[in-house]
Amino acid sequence: SAVISQKPSRDICQRGTSLTIQCQVDSQVTMMFWYRQQPGQSLTLIATANQGSEATYESGFVIDKFPISRPNLTFSTLTVSNMSPEDSSIYLCSVELGQVGLEQYFGPGTRLTVT
Amino acid sequence: DAKTTQPPSMDCAEGRAANLPCNHSTISGNEYVYWYRQIHSQGPQYIIHGLKNNETNEMASLIITEDRKSSTLILPHATLRDTAVYYCIVLRTGGSQGNLIFGKGTKLSVKP
Repeated sequence: SAVISQKPSRDICQRGTSLTIQCQVDSQVTMMFWYRQQPGQSLTLIATANQGSEATYESGFVIDKFPISRPNLTFSTLTVSNMSPEDSSIYLCSVELGQVGLEQYFGPGTRLTVT
Repeated sequence: DAKTTQPPSMDCAEGRAANLPCNHSTISGNEYVYWYRQIHSQGPQYIIHGLKNNETNEMASLIITEDRKSSTLILPHATLRDTAVYYCIVLRTGGSQGNLIFGKGTKLSVKP
């Protein structure tokens, strides 16, 4: 397994501002993922972040809104830009481990409220 | 990837076995069945996965029917801490599994 931490754990932000969320893993991993969980909903994948390459975004998510950095094999950041109340969600990072049938391990999440 | 169907909620008495069903009638031969759970205010937690044989680990057992169209996650002795939403997910093998498609899952309530 892996130990994953996220900062901040929660934040309240004003409309129009940006927030950068950090994800730290205790081991080197190739694949890292960022998910969003809107209130009362299941998780939705935002993007996949491989070290040394551009992040791959899912349909409905764009780099200008959710820029991602992956500077090394243990760290990634997700920025939520020009926030609106609709961005109020829990943001989670995860990493992929294991051999055949790869398992994902999730961080505790960052609870974002936009006012 | 195959879709899954789960009951929206279930109750279980503490200390008893919790049996959570999942229907995946359109599963393909190279697709695994994964189970995750999400305890309130936490990130999802990987539980177990399998292809066609039954699997057991320290957390749970996974029983997959012979035709692979359904499966059951078994928590042998449920505790109050097992109260969570349980997600059954079907994924192809090979390469990154990346996009875990989380449906609505089953909300399991373990009661004293």
